[in-house]
Formats: sequence, structure tokens, C-alpha cells
Amino acid sequence: DTGVSQDPRHKITKRGQNVTFRCDPISEHNRLYWYRQTLGQGPEFLTYFQNEAQLEKSRLLSDRFSAERPKGSFSTLEIQRTEQGDSAMYLCASSFSQGVEKLFFGSGTQLSVL
Amino acid sequence: AQSVTQPDIHITVSEGASLELRCNYSYGATPYLFWYVQSPGQGLQLLLKYFSGDTLVQGIKGFEAEFKRSQSSFNLRKPSVHWSDAAEYFCAVGSYSGGGADGLTFGKGTHLIIQP
Repeated sequence: DTGVSQDPRHKITKRGQNVTFRCDPISEHNRLYWYRQTLGQGPEFLTYFQNEAQLEKSRLLSDRFSAERPKGSFSTLEIQRTEQGDSAMYLCASSFSQGVEKLFFGSGTQLSVL
Repeated sequence: AQSVTQPDIHITVSEGASLELRCNYSYGATPYLFWYVQSPGQGLQLLLKYFSGDTLVQGIKGFEAEFKRSQSSFNLRKPSVHWSDAAEYFCAVGSYSGGGADGLTFGKGTHLIIQP
């Protein structure tokens, strides 16, 4: 079990640029989640996948945000035309959907939009 | 809609003293409840979880939590804190469907400070 890994750890970008983050879940986990955490707040749910299917999207996920999990393994989260309000920690988590289970979180990608 | 309230933004405790972090939830059905800990620059680590059964659950690092349905609470406790317990603590409520987790709703967190 190598854990959930996220890349990059930090990203600094200018307003209006596009950014993409990657998440590699624990290998046998078929559910993958994206959360956003701003300073002083708890993580907020964005979206999740079961295998390659995106099952739910939060209303927080504007049309500038898109997430994919093409082969049911790793996932990418892209933000187009970044805004300063997008600055946050983006957390990925995975779980195995058989019965009741727990989420394992990655260390996150810290995005700063200048 | 489900929600979680952590009334205390900051708590300061002396090393070796006992700790209780409060969590209240709102959920329409039987809740699945969690406590996570987050150290600076790190992801979240699960301390313990409650799904059903015994309302007093034991977790890692000497933590325990008690589910009280009548009070809609799931408070986290530790009898004697260590300096390494200083971190941000999050309570969360989860829903499940199709055999898996739909995702978690987190509280805003409680920042724990340990005094020497």
C-alpha cells in the first residue's frame, strides 16, 4: 500500500492560466474523490468517480473545472482560466466500495493563483 | 442536507491534560461519523469512525469518541495529550449508496494547541 499520491505538491500560476493536477489512488480502490480546502476551512466535496464513471458533482464545481478518470485508475482535475478564488489545497482520496469503508487521503496540491 | 458543526475554532490544552473536541451533526438517517487529523501541509489521517454498534469507538493514537444520538454529537476525547497531538482536527459525516461512500461533509475544524 503506497498510499494516495498527488502531483504536483505545489502549483503557482497566473490568473487566466489553465492548470491540471493528477491523483494516483491506492491501486485496488475503485472510488476516487476530489475535495477543495481553503485556509481555515474543512475540505469541501467536489466530485467522485466509481471506476471511470463520474457519479456526482458538487455545485462548487463550476464549468471551468473538469475531472476525468479515463481508465479507472489515476484521475486529473483541470481548472481553466484560473481565478484568485481558486487558490486552495486540492485533496484527492480513494476508497474501495465493498461494504462500508474509509477514505484514504493524499497530501494534496496547493494551488496559488497570482 | 447533512452538516457538521465544530463549535471550537481553537483549543489550548496543557501537555498531559485530558482533551475533548466537540462535534455536532445534522443528518436525516443513521449517520456515518468520522474524525480526521491534519498536520500542517499534510493530508488527512483517519483517527476513528462510527458506523453502527457500540457507541464508544476507539481509534488510533489513544483517541476515542462517543456517539450520542439524542444530542446529535460525536465528541472526540483523549485522556492525556502529547505535544505531537497539536494539529487540526476535523469531524465529518458520510453517506453511502451503491455499496460505497458518496463522500464526506466536513466541519470547519478545531485547531489544537498544546502548551508545555
